[in-house]
Amino acid sequence: ETGVTQSPTHLIKTRGQQVTLRCSSQSGHNTVSWYQQALGQGPQFIFQYYREEENGRGNFPPRFSGLQFPNYSSELNVNALELDDSALYLCASSLAGLAGGRNEQFFGPGTRLTVL
Amino acid sequence: KQEVTQIPAALSVPEGENLVLNCSFTDSAIYNLQWFRQDPGKGLTSLLLIQSSQREQTSGRLNASLDKSSGRSTLYIAASQPGDSATYLCAVRDGGTKTSYDKVIFGPGTSLSVIP
Repeated sequence: ETGVTQSPTHLIKTRGQQVTLRCSSQSGHNTVSWYQQALGQGPQFIFQYYREEENGRGNFPPRFSGLQFPNYSSELNVNALELDDSALYLCASSLAGLAGGRNEQFFGPGTRLTVL
Repeated sequence: KQEVTQIPAALSVPEGENLVLNCSFTDSAIYNLQWFRQDPGKGLTSLLLIQSSQREQTSGRLNASLDKSSGRSTLYIAASQPGDSATYLCAVRDGGTKTSYDKVIFGPGTSLSVIP
């Protein structure tokens, strides 16, 4: 059983650019959630994808968008990068919809994004 | 709106001490509560997950309790070791159904240092 993987590990961009982060969910999981963790804070929920559709969204602007593919991997896209977008971006996978399921989230190692 | 707080923000203890980390949440209608460990610059490692119907979970030297009515959870670490040094985060899954989207709300974390 493979765990959650994310790429790239680190990324440096400049203001106004666009970035795509990738996440491969744990084998057998059908749900991917994305989080932003600023330095010294807890992760903040961005959105979740279930069966290739956005299934819920936190308080993030539309320039944060995502995709989920048939193999349940996912992308997070951020347009018009701002300095405050510098953070660790975490994805988590889980198995939703199973009767009695624990819905436990398993996290990837994260992508560290620096916006200059 | 669900809010999660953790006390203390930072804790430094000598090796071998037993310690308690506290987590509070404002809305008792949670689906589950999860404790995570995060090493500097790394992703999250799940330690324990407590379903809303459970009172506690144990894994090795770790014991987590949940009191939904009072909106509190504690993580007890027995016989602390230097390797336990990390940030500990608690997170509640909002909502009340297993098929609603997994909006997980994190606390800010407790930074633990165990001194040899």
